[in-house]
Formats: sequence, C-alpha cells, structure tokens
Amino acid sequence: TQLLEQSPQFLSIQEGENLTVYCNSSSVFSSLQWYRQEPGEGPVLLVTVVTGGEVKKLKRLTFQFGDARKDSSLHITAAQPGDTGLYLCAGVTNAGKSTFGDGTTLTVKP
Amino acid sequence: DTAVSQTPKYLVTQMGNDKSIKCEQNLGHDTMYWYKQDSKKFLKIMFSYNNKELIINETVPNRFSPKSPDKAHLNLHINSLELGDSAVYFCASSQGNSYNSPLHFGNGTRLTVT
Repeated sequence: TQLLEQSPQFLSIQEGENLTVYCNSSSVFSSLQWYRQEPGEGPVLLVTVVTGGEVKKLKRLTFQFGDARKDSSLHITAAQPGDTGLYLCAGVTNAGKSTFGDGTTLTVKP
Repeated sequence: DTAVSQTPKYLVTQMGNDKSIKCEQNLGHDTMYWYKQDSKKFLKIMFSYNNKELIINETVPNRFSPKSPDKAHLNLHINSLELGDSAVYFCASSQGNSYNSPLHFGNGTRLTVT
C-alpha cells in the first residue's frame, strides 16, 4: 500500500505569516498533485508536478517535487484568511491511480 | 453549468436500508470515480470507470455496487447499510486515466447511517 503522510496535520497561523506543508512517501510516483478543499465542497486541484526537482509557483503558493519523486512541499507566503482550508497531496501512478495524503488543515486568522 | 454534480447532498438512513447516490459530469471526460472521505478527512478511492468499463475496484464490500450507464454517469448503490458506511462520498471525473489527468470532484454526498 502506498502511503502519503502530510505534516503538520493542523496549522493555525496569523495573516501575513509564511508556512510550509510537507507530503512524504516511501513510494515513487509519476506525478504529485495538490488539492485544496473547503467545507461542504469537493477538493479542487491547485497544481500537478511531474519532474523530480520541479518547482511551480501559483501566486503566493510555491510547490516543489522532490528529486526522487517521493515527496513534495507546499509553501505559502504571506498567508491570507482566504487560504484557509484542507490541503491534500495526491501521488499518482502511471496508470492514473491517485493515493491521497492524510491532509493538512490550515486556519489563517485575520 | 456545474461540472460534476451528485445527488443527494445529504442522505440520512437507518441500518439495513438500501440507498443510491447519483453522479453526472458534463465535462466530456471518459473516466469517473467514487471516493470515500472519512471523519478524519482521509480520501480513499473506491472505484474507477473508463468508458463504462470498471478499471479500479479497491477492497470495498460487495454491498457497494457502481453502475455506469454511459460515460457521463456513474451511480453508486449501497445495500444493507451499516454504521461504518457513514462518510462523505465524492464522485470525480478526469480525461483519461494517466498520471497527468487531474481529478474534478463533485461537492460530495454526506451519508449518515443511524
């Protein structure tokens, strides 16, 4: 079974602070996706990283795929209350099967 | 213009009953999925269909039976509901089923079994 562990599981910070969420696995994946889920809604894709060492930026969010394609990180600069939500990483195999991490619940206080 | 829609949004029922959840996508995708999210927010795949053909069937009790009448629909029927079936069930779709196919999720069906 391929497991992905996210850390931290819960994070509560003040507006304007920076944070990093980690997603670690012992398995190699063909790609790594990050999703954000708000209460009462389904997860929404933020980014897909494919190449080992790849870095992608989405406004204040920076995503990195580990060189060995086993881990990933999500860094948010100057967090805002609108960033509040559940962040999920998902490792995807070549056959398209997604295994989700156990999630990081982020709360950004104004 | 909802992309992936599932009904009902909430489902409260008693143990032993049979219930169905419907899902439809208007994205033109050829692959559809059912995921289960437990109380700890852990999201686990249950089934996947590509062009109406079952391609992923995780270790799910036989009481759960998916049905895909066409590419745009994937329904989930659950027999003899148990307390442990209480969860949020998400339907999702993607174009293709490769490592580069992002998932588009519906807004979930919260099932409560009493």
